[in-house]
Formats: sequence, structure tokens, C-alpha cells
Amino acid sequence: KAGVTQTPRYLIKTRGQQVTLSCSPISGHRSVSWYQQTPGQGLQFLFEYFSETQRNKGNFPGRFSGRQFSNSRSEMNVSTLELGDSALYLCASSLNWDRGNTIYFGEGSWLTVV
Amino acid sequence: ELKVEQNPLFLSMQEGKNYTIYCNYSTTSDRLYWYRQDPGKSLESLFVLLSNGAVKQEGRLMASLDTKARLSTLHITAAVHDLSATYFCAVVRIRASLGMNRDDKIIFGKGTRLHILP
Repeated sequence: KAGVTQTPRYLIKTRGQQVTLSCSPISGHRSVSWYQQTPGQGLQFLFEYFSETQRNKGNFPGRFSGRQFSNSRSEMNVSTLELGDSALYLCASSLNWDRGNTIYFGEGSWLTVV
Repeated sequence: ELKVEQNPLFLSMQEGKNYTIYCNYSTTSDRLYWYRQDPGKSLESLFVLLSNGAVKQEGRLMASLDTKARLSTLHITAAVHDLSATYFCAVVRIRASLGMNRDDKIIFGKGTRLHILP
């Protein structure tokens, strides 16, 4: 079956702009979570959605937001981009994070802010 | 605050040798994940460990969890070059609160970059 799909894979944005990243989870998965990976900070949890509700949130500023649609697809938005937002953004899906189900990651979206 | 420490952060070893990667965490958790990441690629799930004493094995990799010691290990047996990658552990902190909006967080270790020499 198809894995977690993220679009776009690569993008370049200018400081101050905003960006929206999209994620399609594995069919049947209702939990979608987002992560930021940078060489300096490593892998950091952004937030997790389940049935269109944000259940969990990491320690990122309000410029980072997300949503989940009724078909479990999710989007992440970063407003007022800063140079430090350059990173690999990973989306992951799971049947239900609460139950300790395996979390499957997508290939990621590489964001460069110039 | 939940902290996750992996060691070593870098490991170079010969094929055929055994080695262990350690993952220590600072607060109560009942769920730990191990992932593999190849350069420029995403994370591949290796193991999910859900309870104290859990042990899982897949090929040359074996993971265990000791929740009392707050320690998980990833043991590599008779390493082969194909196992060269970065390995991450991730710990879920569960803090129940009223309603749907809980404060569960998943914290990753910094990763162990494993280089296996042929």
C-alpha cells in the first residue's frame, strides 16, 4: 500500500513569506504528526493531529500551525519565514499514536529560506 | 523536562563485530521507538517497544527496553556494511489531562551515526 506522501519535496522561499506543506497519510491512519529536522537541533516534534483535532503540540512558536482534514490529510503552515526555518519537514502517520502503533514517516519536504 | 541521550553519537566499526547503542531518558515513559535514517532519506521504523522488559529482534538488530532504568539498547550482531546509517531513538512522554488536548510529546535522541567498514 502507498506510504506517507509529502508535497512539495523541495522548495525555496524568501524571508517573511509563508509556506504550506501537505501530507497524505497511509490509508486508514487517523493520526498525523509533523517534525522539523535540522543539523543543529536534530529532530523536533511540531504537533500531532487525530480526527481533525490537534492533540499534541511541541515547543514551537505560533508561526507554525497545522490542520487536518476529514480524509486525514494534513497541512502545515509556517508564516513569516525566518532563515532558521530552513529544514527538512517530516510528516508521519499512524493508526493511533495513543495505542503505540508504529509511526511511519514520509520522505519529507526540504525547505530553504533565503 | 524529558531529555533523551544517545551514545555513542558516532561509531565506526568493522564488519563482523558486535556493538550496542544506548538510549537513556530522564522521565517516565512507556513507549520507545527506534528508527534508521540513511543520508538524505526519511526515517525507517525499526522497533516499537511498549513495556518494561520488551525485546524485539529483526535480523542483526535487537532492541530492548528497561523502563525502571530508563534505558533502551539497540544491539548489532555481526555488523555488515548495509547497516551503515544514523539510528535514532525516540521516547514518548505521556501526560494525561482532561479532555482531548493532552501534552504527549515525542522526543528524539541526537542520533548515532554508524559507519561499518568493509
